[in-house]
Amino acid sequence: NAGVTQTPKFQVLKTGQSMTLQCAQDMNHEYMSWYRQDPGMGLRLIHYSVGAGITDQGEVPNGYNVSRSTTEDFPLRLLSAAPSQTSVYFCASSSFLRTNTEAFFGQGTRLTVV
Amino acid sequence: GNSVTQMEGPVTLSEEAFLTINCTYTATGYPSLFWYVQYPGEGLQLLLKATKADDKGSNKGFEATYRKETTSFHLEKGSVQVSDSAVYFCALRADYKLSFGAGTTVTVRA
Repeated sequence: NAGVTQTPKFQVLKTGQSMTLQCAQDMNHEYMSWYRQDPGMGLRLIHYSVGAGITDQGEVPNGYNVSRSTTEDFPLRLLSAAPSQTSVYFCASSSFLRTNTEAFFGQGTRLTVV
Repeated sequence: GNSVTQMEGPVTLSEEAFLTINCTYTATGYPSLFWYVQYPGEGLQLLLKATKADDKGSNKGFEATYRKETTSFHLEKGSVQVSDSAVYFCALRADYKLSFGAGTTVTVRA
């Protein structure tokens, strides 16, 4: 009963370091997405994917890369971390065609960039 | 484009009080509407949903009715508990993407 699994749960980076946030789902969902949550700003879409090999930018893509080599995995890469990327990150997955169904979220990654 | 406007908080209530959180939306087509809840330190989980006009979603004592004429999906609970303290997000899905409101932080005091 895994659903969406995100790792790590917490991470501290120094400015300029790079890292990858992992996301995996076991529901065979075509659509996966990454959000960041900041106080007073709700959830903002970073990148999304509608299937293996297909990705696109959301509202706030700068400083992040994604790839989708399999249906299950959708990692988010921070290329050169900046303090402005301090946030809580959530991965979500959902059916692409059945738009009346909900998205499932991971537990989140709390990232601090110092 | 699609958007969700949600009553901003924070909201502080006493136990057994009535809770309402307003949510209105703008969308092309016929969106599905959702309320998600985020408990402290956790991810978002679905609270309830409605997929067509006049549908009522309900769960854990919470209710919301899809009102197409007023483009609204207000969340209500008749008697809140301390365990309802959380952040509540209204969301819509008109295609494969989800659009979220800003979230409303609710604190219930014993």
